[in-house]
Amino acid sequence: KQEVTQIPAALSVPEGENLVLNCSFTDSAIYNLQWFRQDPGKGLTSLLLIQSSQREQTSGRLNASLDKSSGRSTLYIAASQPGDSATYLCSQGGSEKLVFGKGTKLTVNP
Amino acid sequence: NAGVMQNPRHLVRRRGQEARLRCSPMKGHSHVYWYRQLPEEGLKFMVYLQKENIIDESGMPKERFSAEFPKEGPSILRIQQVVRGDSAAYFCASSPEGPYEQYFGPGTRLTVT
Repeated sequence: KQEVTQIPAALSVPEGENLVLNCSFTDSAIYNLQWFRQDPGKGLTSLLLIQSSQREQTSGRLNASLDKSSGRSTLYIAASQPGDSATYLCSQGGSEKLVFGKGTKLTVNP
Repeated sequence: NAGVMQNPRHLVRRRGQEARLRCSPMKGHSHVYWYRQLPEEGLKFMVYLQKENIIDESGMPKERFSAEFPKEGPSILRIQQVVRGDSAAYFCASSPEGPYEQYFGPGTRLTVT
């Protein structure tokens, strides 16, 4: 059974801090790993997609890595801002569907 | 290029009524996925469709739920005889082909009273 676990479930940091969100998955036959952001009562915004042949992807202050051998991905956020406050979801892409973790709720305090 | 469209954005139904949720994929996308997010739960896969075909419905409840993606028009997720436990956010995603990046719609929030 495919499972995705995200740690921590919640994180509160002061503005300006660098932080790391963790994601682990059980299925080594992964096609891709996708990180999303979800604001309360809103839809999902795709942040970064890492294909199985890649090790990392970067967009602005965000960097995501993928280690298939250990079944882990990390999302690094540099110089966090209050506007980064949201729930971050990690999803493992298989041949047909995405399997999601429960998310990490991030609060960045001014 | 408009994104994935879902309507309605909010839907209120009384117990026993039917709910119809619509999803228009991005232009050029022929693959549609439906996910459900229950309160305080993660997103769960429900069904994967291509035009006129259901590819994988392993996440669909066995009763009352059905989905279609006709040759013309949007994909429809239909819930018959809704119960309070069906209250959730239902998200649709599309991709040009599987397994590529999936693009999500804004969701339909169903409330059953």
